[in-house]
Amino acid sequence: KAGVTQTPRYLIKTRGQQVTLSCSPISGHRSVSWYQQTPGQGLQFLFEYFSETQRNKGNFPGRFSGRQFSNSRSEMNVSTLELGDSALYLCASSLDRANEQYFGPGTRLTVT
Amino acid sequence: AQSVTQLGSHVSVSEGALVLLRCNYSSSVPPYLFWYVQYPNQGLQLLLKYTSAATLVKGINGFEAEFKKSETSFHLTKPSAHMSDAAEYFCAVSSINDYKLSFGAGTTVTVRA
Repeated sequence: KAGVTQTPRYLIKTRGQQVTLSCSPISGHRSVSWYQQTPGQGLQFLFEYFSETQRNKGNFPGRFSGRQFSNSRSEMNVSTLELGDSALYLCASSLDRANEQYFGPGTRLTVT
Repeated sequence: AQSVTQLGSHVSVSEGALVLLRCNYSSSVPPYLFWYVQYPNQGLQLLLKYTSAATLVKGINGFEAEFKKSETSFHLTKPSAHMSDAAEYFCAVSSINDYKLSFGAGTTVTVRA
């Protein structure tokens, strides 16, 4: 089975722009979660989607949003980018909400 | 709320020596506990998980962890380190009340030849 895929792998954006990141879960997995990884804050939970509904949200500003499609693929969007948004964004999928999460390789976002 | 504390941000071991990474958790309900490994420029790979079955959990690559409720610990061990074990290791907790993973700060392992 193919693992979690994330596109693009690397992205460079300018302050004030917006960005959309994509995640394709493992086939058959219905839950998708997003995490931000930075050297200073470590790994932080952004949000979780299941059956196209946001089920949980972390402590991030409203500039961070996401959605899930009927095929379980997910996107996250960050508007009005700030320098502090530079991070590795990781997507994880699980069979169901209570099952273990499997991570993709991440999207490295650099904001200049 | 649930949280994890990893003791030691860096651990250095000789090849063939025991690897011991410490993790303590806090959870008001029975926890689910996980260890993940991250190699440079990669995502997280699941090593093992505890979900209230056997307290000694065996994972991939020769790693195992023991859940000790009385000590609120879930330490990761490997009897004999290999050069390929050099990576960053994360302990994480979730629960039936809150499925999101809360991660520790991570422990970087270096293996000396």
